[in-house]
Amino acid sequence: GESVGLHLPTLSVQEGDNSIINCAYSNSASDYFIWYKQESGKGPQFIIDIRSNMDKRQGQRVTVLLNKTVKHLSLQIAATQPGDSAVYFCAEAYTGGFKTIFGAGTRLFVKA
Amino acid sequence: EPEVTQTPSHQVTQMGQEVILRCVPISNHLYFYWYRQILGQKVEFLVSFYNNEISEKSEIFDDQFSVERPDGSNFTLKIRSTKLEDSAMYFCASSEGLAGGIAGELFFGEGSRLTVL
Repeated sequence: GESVGLHLPTLSVQEGDNSIINCAYSNSASDYFIWYKQESGKGPQFIIDIRSNMDKRQGQRVTVLLNKTVKHLSLQIAATQPGDSAVYFCAEAYTGGFKTIFGAGTRLFVKA
Repeated sequence: EPEVTQTPSHQVTQMGQEVILRCVPISNHLYFYWYRQILGQKVEFLVSFYNNEISEKSEIFDDQFSVERPDGSNFTLKIRSTKLEDSAMYFCASSEGLAGGIAGELFFGEGSRLTVL
């Protein structure tokens, strides 16, 4: 069955440090992976995505790594800022299926 | 910047009543979705909608739920007879869709909080 989950429910980092949020998935058919950020009282917001034919993709201060061998996804945030405090969800989808499945979420706390 | 808008922001209803949640997706998007999030839990897929029909639906989306695109701009979620466990935040989302039949980036609204008493 489909399952997307996270290793850590909460993560606390010091402002300026790098953050790493991890995620495991179990659906071998998934070929598209996305990270979303959800701030309190708001809907999820797209951060970055990656297709299964890649193992790394970089954005502005964020990097997503995909390890298909162990079905693992991670989000790296460089120089974490207080505005990065939120819940982060990994999500998965697959070609031909207009359904994005969200994982459980990791709450990131950034200490000033 | 284009955005997805949802109304109402909060609705309180009695168990057994019908509820309609409304959404205006981004105008050039072709794919529409409803998700729900029970407080403190993950975002759960309910249904996707394309070309005026349901593309996929989850086990949650039973006969009590229906979706409709009554005109060129609105996308609605109806719950016919609400139950206590329907209390949640309901998010509408839309996407352009990517080549190869993948949903792509979802743009979410701010959500409609439903409280069933």
